[in-house]
Amino acid sequence: NAGVTQTPKFQVLKTGQSMTLQCAQDMNHEYMSWYRQDPGMGLRLIHYSVGAGITDQGEVPNGYNVSRSTTEDFPLRLLSAAPSQTSVYFCASSYSLAGELFFGEGSRLTVL
Amino acid sequence: DQQVKQNSPSLSVQEGRISILNCDYTNSMFDYFLWYKKYPAEGPTFLISISSIKDKNEDGRFTVFLNKSAKHLSLHIVPSQPGDSAVYFCAASESGNKLVFGAGTILRVKS
Repeated sequence: NAGVTQTPKFQVLKTGQSMTLQCAQDMNHEYMSWYRQDPGMGLRLIHYSVGAGITDQGEVPNGYNVSRSTTEDFPLRLLSAAPSQTSVYFCASSYSLAGELFFGEGSRLTVL
Repeated sequence: DQQVKQNSPSLSVQEGRISILNCDYTNSMFDYFLWYKKYPAEGPTFLISISSIKDKNEDGRFTVFLNKSAKHLSLHIVPSQPGDSAVYFCAASESGNKLVFGAGTILRVKS
C-alpha cells in the first residue's frame, strides 16, 4: 500500500524556472493538500482540494498553482521559481480537512 | 500572527523519564487538536488527537492534555525512548476547517 507518493524527492532550480511537484494517493481520500516546511515556521498550507475539480488557497498560495483533475493526483506547479520558495514540500491526503492527515515523504526544493 | 505556538524549539530528556511538549493557541474557537511526529527525511505521521469536549486522551505511552481556559495543550510521553527522538508538531482546527500547525519542537531522548 503506497499511501501518498511525492516526486521528485530533490530538485534544484534556477530563479525563473518552472516545475511541477507530483503527488498521488491511493487511499481514495477526497481531501488533498500541499504544505511547505520552513525552519521556525512549522507547516504552512499552500493550497488544498476538497475533491476532483475543486481547489482553494491556503495560507501561502502566492507563486504556486494547483489543479485536481482526478481523486488520486494533486500536482503543485511553481510558475517562476524564486529563492524564497526554497523549502521542503509535503503533500497530504485525508478523509476530512481537519482529520488525520497522511503525508508523503517530502520534496526538498532549492532555488538558486 | 501565529495562532498555534510551540515556544520550546527543542527539548532534551533522559531515556525512561517523562517528556512534556507544550503548545499554546490563541483562537478560542479551535475545537480539535492533533499531534504529529516527524523523523528526518520522512513526512509527519499522526500521533494522537483530542476534541475540545475532553481534557485528556491517552494512547499507550502518549497522553494529550487540554486546558481550554488556559488555551494550552501538552503531550506527555512516559517513559521516553530513544526512538521518540523526532520533531513534534501540534495542530488545531476550528469546526472541521483546515489545520493550523505550530512551528514544532525537536525532542532528543538520550540513552
